[in-house]
Amino acid sequence: GAVVSQHPSRVICKSGTSVKIECRSLDFQATTMFWYRQFPKQSLMLMATSNEGSKATYEQGVEKDKFLINHASLTLSTLTVTSAHPEDSSFYICSAVKDPAGPTDTQYFGPGTRLTVL
Amino acid sequence: GNSVTQMEGPVTLSEEAFLTINCTYTATGYPSLFWYVQYPGEGLQLLLKATKADDKGSNKGFEATYRKETTSFHLEKGSVQVSDSAVYFCALSDQTGANNLFFGTGTRLTVIP
Repeated sequence: GAVVSQHPSRVICKSGTSVKIECRSLDFQATTMFWYRQFPKQSLMLMATSNEGSKATYEQGVEKDKFLINHASLTLSTLTVTSAHPEDSSFYICSAVKDPAGPTDTQYFGPGTRLTVL
Repeated sequence: GNSVTQMEGPVTLSEEAFLTINCTYTATGYPSLFWYVQYPGEGLQLLLKATKADDKGSNKGFEATYRKETTSFHLEKGSVQVSDSAVYFCALSDQTGANNLFFGTGTRLTVIP
């Protein structure tokens, strides 16, 4: 199989605090992982591409200083929402591509993390 | 640019009914097309895909045909089951080598016994 987990599945925090979300590939190595954001009744929007051992590539309009991505190993990428505000409340989803990655490979998705900022 | 438009839903069907979920796309070049399914509490799973015009993807009784002339990739199943209840996402990949996926908004399907 190809299982991707996320932790936590749900988090509630106060405005101004930082929240870290973990994305793990459980049974495969992934040089490349992706972070998406989904608003209610809207599409998944790609936020950034996370590459092991190098800086993440952010999509236009995504603040890299606010959404810190670290991909320190071939099975773990983390997304830290810094100084979270209510408008950051959303559903965050990660995905991973098995190594070696090709242009048409399948992305394997985690179950998502629901962030609520009070 | 790249975009995907799919039927909004929610869709409620009786068991053994015929299912169609419409999906149309806008893309530059020659995209690959996908249907993903998300069961309650789980991550998105690839249901089927097609990589070129006139290809038909199929899996678990679901089918979708890549129609370049109508820029469509409609999902169909002849006889749905309660276990098919899930959210279905249409997506395209622009094959830039970065595995970028562009998703539709998702369609929630509920199948009642």
